[in-house]
This record gives sequence, structure tokens and C-alpha cells, in this order.
Amino acid sequence: DAGVTQSPTHLIKTRGQHVTLRCSPISGHKSVSWYQQVLGQGPQFIFQYYEKEERGRGNFPDRFSARQFPNYSSELNVNALLLGDSALYLCASSLSGSYGYTFGSGTRLTVV
Amino acid sequence: QQQVKQSPQSLIVQKGGISIINCAYENTAFDYFPWYQQFPGKGPALLIAIRPDVSEKKEGRFTISFNKSAKQFSLHIMDSQPGDSATYFCAARGGSNYKLTFGKGTLLTVNP
Repeated sequence: DAGVTQSPTHLIKTRGQHVTLRCSPISGHKSVSWYQQVLGQGPQFIFQYYEKEERGRGNFPDRFSARQFPNYSSELNVNALLLGDSALYLCASSLSGSYGYTFGSGTRLTVV
Repeated sequence: QQQVKQSPQSLIVQKGGISIINCAYENTAFDYFPWYQQFPGKGPALLIAIRPDVSEKKEGRFTISFNKSAKQFSLHIMDSQPGDSATYFCAARGGSNYKLTFGKGTLLTVNP
């Protein structure tokens, strides 16, 4: 069984640019969450989607947005990139969005 | 505001020893407490989780001890092995908030 897949694995962007990160959940999982993990810290919650509806949003600026598609895959978009956006972006899927979160290996974003 | 406090920041244990990592939380609405293991370049992987209606849960060499009145929980790794060397995160989730709140992590090194 395929786990949570994220693409790309690594990305380098310039300040001010826009980036789109993608996530495919485990088959059958209807919920996708996004987390940002800065080096040396625990993951910080950005968004959760369940059945294509936003169910929660963390303390991140409006430059961050996301959506979930009918096949339950998801995109995270970040506009006007700042150096501080450099981090590992993690996607987690679960059946209902309540328990049993499975994380992908993440996308390493570097903003220069 | 850090809602889940984790200690120690780093831990060195000899092979065969017991590794103990502690976490404390503030939000009494939390009702699910997972522990994650993360290797460099990988996403967090669920190790073991507990609900507050039990005081202890054991899976193989990993045990969670939970003290609801003290709002504390801990991970014990028995017979620690060099392959256990990784960063460990405690987390909590609960109430109407579906996000996982993570501790800052503990870097465990098990010497052979």
C-alpha cells in the first residue's frame, strides 16, 4: 500500500515567488492536514481539510492557502515567499481527520 | 504560547538502557496523545498513542504512561537500541480542534 506521497521532495525558490506543494493521501483517507516544520522544531499546524471542506486553520498569514480535490488529494499554496518560509512542509492523512494521522516525507522548501 | 512542553531536549542512552521522555500539557480538552518518531529527511511516524481514560499503554518496547491529574505523559523505550536513535515528538489533539499540537522534540542518541 502506498503511503502519503508528497511532491516535489525538494524545492528552491526566490523571495517573492509563489509555490505549490502537492499531497496524495493514503487510499481511503478523506482528510488531509498540512504542517510546517522549521529545523529543530516540532511541526506546526497550517490547515486541515475533510471531504473538500476546510475544517481548521492554524496561525499562518493569508499568503498560505490550500484546497482539497474530489479525489482527496491536496495542494498547499504559498504566495510572496519570505526567507522565513524555508521549512519542511508535511502532509498528513487520516480516515476521518480525528486520529491516526500518517505523515508523508515532506517537501523541503528553501527560499533564497 | 506553547501548549505541549517536552523534555529533555536531547538524551544519550547506552544500548540496552531505558530512554524516558516527558511531556506536559495545558489544555484539558486534549483527548488524544500520540508519540512520533522522526529520522533525518523523513516525516514523523506514529509510534504509539493513548487516550486519557487509561494510565498506561504498552506496545513492544514502547510504553506511554499518562497522569491526567498532573497533565503529564511520558514515553519509555525499554532495551534501547542504536536503531532507536531519532527525534521523538509528543503531541496532543482534542475538543473541536482537529489539529495536532507538537512538543519541540527530543533528540535521542543510543550508543552501542
